[in-house]
Amino acid sequence: AQSVTQLDSQVPVFEEAPVELRCNYSSSVSVYLFWYVQYPNQGLQLLLKYLSGSTLVKGINGFEAEFNKSQTSFHLRKPSVHISDTAEYFCAVSRRSSASKIIFGSGTRLSIRP
Amino acid sequence: EPEVTQTPSHQVTQMGQEVILRCVPISNHLYFYWYRQILGQKVEFLVSFYNNEISEKSEIFDDQFSVERPDGSNFTLKIRSTKLEDSAMYFCASSETVNTEAFFGQGTRLTVV
Repeated sequence: AQSVTQLDSQVPVFEEAPVELRCNYSSSVSVYLFWYVQYPNQGLQLLLKYLSGSTLVKGINGFEAEFNKSQTSFHLRKPSVHISDTAEYFCAVSRRSSASKIIFGSGTRLSIRP
Repeated sequence: EPEVTQTPSHQVTQMGQEVILRCVPISNHLYFYWYRQILGQKVEFLVSFYNNEISEKSEIFDDQFSVERPDGSNFTLKIRSTKLEDSAMYFCASSETVNTEAFFGQGTRLTVV
């Protein structure tokens, strides 16, 4: 079975500061990895995904993530955050043989302070 | 860009009532899913559906729940007798194949009172 651990439930940062949201996964088979964002009172939006190839993945809104197989991590980063990045961020994993059944982490609430 | 649409965006129902949540998946997609997010908790897989039958379901998806594709475009989730703990955001998703990315709808917030 697959599982996802998001180590930080909340991350407060100042506007224009860099941020890293941590994610570790566990799986005995090859996986796809995802980051989703959920703005207040809205649905899930895909930020970025790792399917194969380059381990550095760039997504929307200036976010990027790096797949590290040896550390089973997929941390999300942004060099300079904005107030509008305030949201809940979910790391997720799926088996390559069943890519659409997604297992989500518990989420990290990113709050941006002016 | 094609998208998954869900209706209604918010549904309030009395405990014990039946409720049907509706979804229109992306038109060329063949696999359909329901996920649930209880307020403040993580998103959980409920069920996957392919070729007019359930292909996988979680332990949450008990006999109170059912899914159906009543016509060529809609995909529905029915809760037979709602309980307070069914209050949650319900997300529909669809994918072209079992190995490709799922696209999520905006969700239906169900409130059971």
